[in-house]
Amino acid sequence: AQSVTQPDIHITVSEGASLELRCNYSYGATPYLFWYVQSPGQGLQLLLKYFSGDTLVQGIKGFEAEFKRSQSSFNLRKPSVHWSDAAEYFCAVGAAGSGYALNFGKGTSLLVTP
Amino acid sequence: KAGVTQTPRYLIKTRGQQVTLSCSPISGHRSVSWYQQTPGQGLQFLFEYFSETQRNKGNFPGRFSGRQFSNSRSEMNVSTLELGDSALYLCASSSTSGGDTQYFGPGTRLTVL
Repeated sequence: AQSVTQPDIHITVSEGASLELRCNYSYGATPYLFWYVQSPGQGLQLLLKYFSGDTLVQGIKGFEAEFKRSQSSFNLRKPSVHWSDAAEYFCAVGAAGSGYALNFGKGTSLLVTP
Repeated sequence: KAGVTQTPRYLIKTRGQQVTLSCSPISGHRSVSWYQQTPGQGLQFLFEYFSETQRNKGNFPGRFSGRQFSNSRSEMNVSTLELGDSALYLCASSSTSGGDTQYFGPGTRLTVL
């Protein structure tokens, strides 16, 4: 069965520290991979996406993610976290032929401390 | 370009009523998808419309339905509301065929009393 797992429900980091949010997927087809961020009461904002090509993708707000096919992972990273990065982060997976039915992980809530 | 817009932003209904939510996609986008977001189930795909045709459907009961108009605007309808339908309903639009990026609206917060 297709699935997306974000193992960490909550993560707390200090401002200025590095961040890595984990995402693992199980998909039969070649996946399309996304990271979205959601602030309280808001919709989802796309951070970055991977369709093919270079496995290290750059996104907005200084985020990057690396696709590792052998590990079925697409982890999100940021070298230095800002207080404004506190939000809910969602990993999502789609597949060619599935139309636009994205399969989302449960999300990781990021808290940034001073 | 203007983003995806959803109306209304907030709704309060009572059990048994029906509700219609509206979504206007980004100009030029022909695909509209709907998602339900709840604390317990997370984000779940409802359905997707492309050029007025439902192309994909998630695992939701028939009380949930939708449609798309010739200008790509979409509506979703929930009949006979249940308490469990309380959720944030998100609409997303995409420009072309499968594999493109979905851009989300701010959502409609539905509360069923």
